[in-house]
Amino acid sequence: GAVVSQHPSRVICKSGTSVKIECRSLDFQATTMFWYRQFPKKSLMLMATSNEGSKATYEQGVEKDKFLINHASLTLSTLTVTSAHPEDSSFYICSAREKTGMNTEAFFGQGTRLTVV
Amino acid sequence: GNSVTQMEGPVTLSEEAFLTINCTYTATGYPSLFWYVQYPGEGLQLLLKATKADDKGSNKGFEATYRKETTSFHLEKGSVQVSDSAVYFCAPPGGTSYGKLTFGQGTILTVHP
Repeated sequence: GAVVSQHPSRVICKSGTSVKIECRSLDFQATTMFWYRQFPKKSLMLMATSNEGSKATYEQGVEKDKFLINHASLTLSTLTVTSAHPEDSSFYICSAREKTGMNTEAFFGQGTRLTVV
Repeated sequence: GNSVTQMEGPVTLSEEAFLTINCTYTATGYPSLFWYVQYPGEGLQLLLKATKADDKGSNKGFEATYRKETTSFHLEKGSVQVSDSAVYFCAPPGGTSYGKLTFGQGTILTVHP
C-alpha cells in the first residue's frame, strides 16, 4: 500500500513554544489530508481536513489559530501547534487520500507523541 | 452524513478464542466500509475493506461482510493470537464534499496467552 510518513514520531517541548509536525505522502499525491488527535484509550478525533492549495476545514471546537494547518503541496501537510500548553499533549495522527470520494481508502502516518512540559 | 456505531470494549480473550466486534452503519448510498487496526504506539493501518453489498473483506484471518439488510460490517476472527492485541476501528468514508473520514470509538482487544 501507499506510504505516509509523519515526523517527528516523538517531541517534547516547553510550554509556550510552537511545534511543527510534518506529514508526507511518499509515493502518491494526496489531494486530501486529515489531522487527528487521540487521547489515551480514546478514539480518533478529527481535527481538520485539508485540501492542497486551499484553507483547511476545521471541526467544531478546534481552534484554528492554535492548530495551524498548511497543505502547500500534494505531498506535504504540516500541523503547527502554536503556544503549546500541557493540555495539548496528545498523540497526533495524519492521514492522506489520493483521491476524493466515498470509496477511497486512507493511509495513515505513524503518529506523533507530543508532550508539553 | 455517514456514521458508524461500534461495539464498545475493551474485549479480553484467551488465545485461540473466537472474536466478533460489531459495527453498524448509516450511510447515504453504499459507500465502501473499512476496518482499521492500531497497534500500540503506532498509527492506523487498513485491515480490510469491502466496496459493495455482500462483499467479504478478509486479511490476516480477519473477515467482515458488508450486509446492507442489517447495515452491518462485523469483524470476526476464528482464532485470535496474542499479536492481535490492538485497537480496532470501523469506518465508512465521510459524506461531505471533502470526503472526511470519521471513526467510531474503537474497540480495544487484549488477547492473553
